[in-house]
Amino acid sequence: NAGVMQNPRHLVRRRGQEARLRCSPMKGHSHVYWYRQLPEEGLKFMVYLQKENIIDESGMPKERFSAEFPKEGPSILRIQQVVRGDSAAYFCASSPTQGDTGELFFGEGSRLTVL
Amino acid sequence: GENVEQHPSTLSVQEGDSAVIKCTYSDSASNYFPWYKQELGKRPQLIIDIRSNVGEKKDQRIAVTLNKTAKHFSLHITETQPEDSAVYFCAAVPSNYQLIWGAGTKLIIKP
Repeated sequence: NAGVMQNPRHLVRRRGQEARLRCSPMKGHSHVYWYRQLPEEGLKFMVYLQKENIIDESGMPKERFSAEFPKEGPSILRIQQVVRGDSAAYFCASSPTQGDTGELFFGEGSRLTVL
Repeated sequence: GENVEQHPSTLSVQEGDSAVIKCTYSDSASNYFPWYKQELGKRPQLIIDIRSNVGEKKDQRIAVTLNKTAKHFSLHITETQPEDSAVYFCAAVPSNYQLIWGAGTKLIIKP
C-alpha cells in the first residue's frame, strides 16, 4: 500500500497564477481531507470530501479556492489567482471511514511558494 | 462548536526525563482523541489515540490519559530520546467527523 500520495511536493507560483495540488488517498479509502499549515503553526481544516461529493468546505475560503474528488482520479485542491498569503504547506489526509472512527493518514504535503 | 487548547506551546526537557503535554476540550460529546507527531518538514503521524470509554492507554514510552469529567487529556513521554524532538498535536473529534486540532507543542530534547 503506497500510502497517501501528494504531488507536486513543491510548487512555486507567481502572484495571479493558478495552483493545482493533487492527492491520491490510500487504497480503499474514500474520505479525503485537506489541511493548510503555515510555518510554525498548526493544521487548519479546509475541506472534507468523499467521492464526487463535498461534505464540508467550511474551512476553505469562499473565493479562489475549490476542491474536488472525482469518481476517477485524485482529489484536487485548486487555488486561483494566488497571493503571497497562500504560501503554505497543504496536507491531504485520507481515512476509510469518517474521522471519528479511526486514524487519518497524511500525505507528505505540497509546499506552495508564491513569489 | 468544539475548541481544543494545548499547552505548553514549547517544552524543553533533558534527555532521559519525562515530558507531559496537556490538552483541554470543550464539547462533552467528543469521543476520540488522537495525538500526532510531526517532525520538521514531515507529515503528521499518529502516535497514540484514546477513546472516551477508556481512561488511560500506554504504548511503550508513550501514554495518554483522559479525564472526561474535567474534559482534558494528556500525553506522557517517559525516558525521552533525541528522536522525540518534534511538534506534537492533540485533537478531539466531536459528534461529527471533523478533527479539531490543538495548536501544537514543540518538544525539544536537550542532550
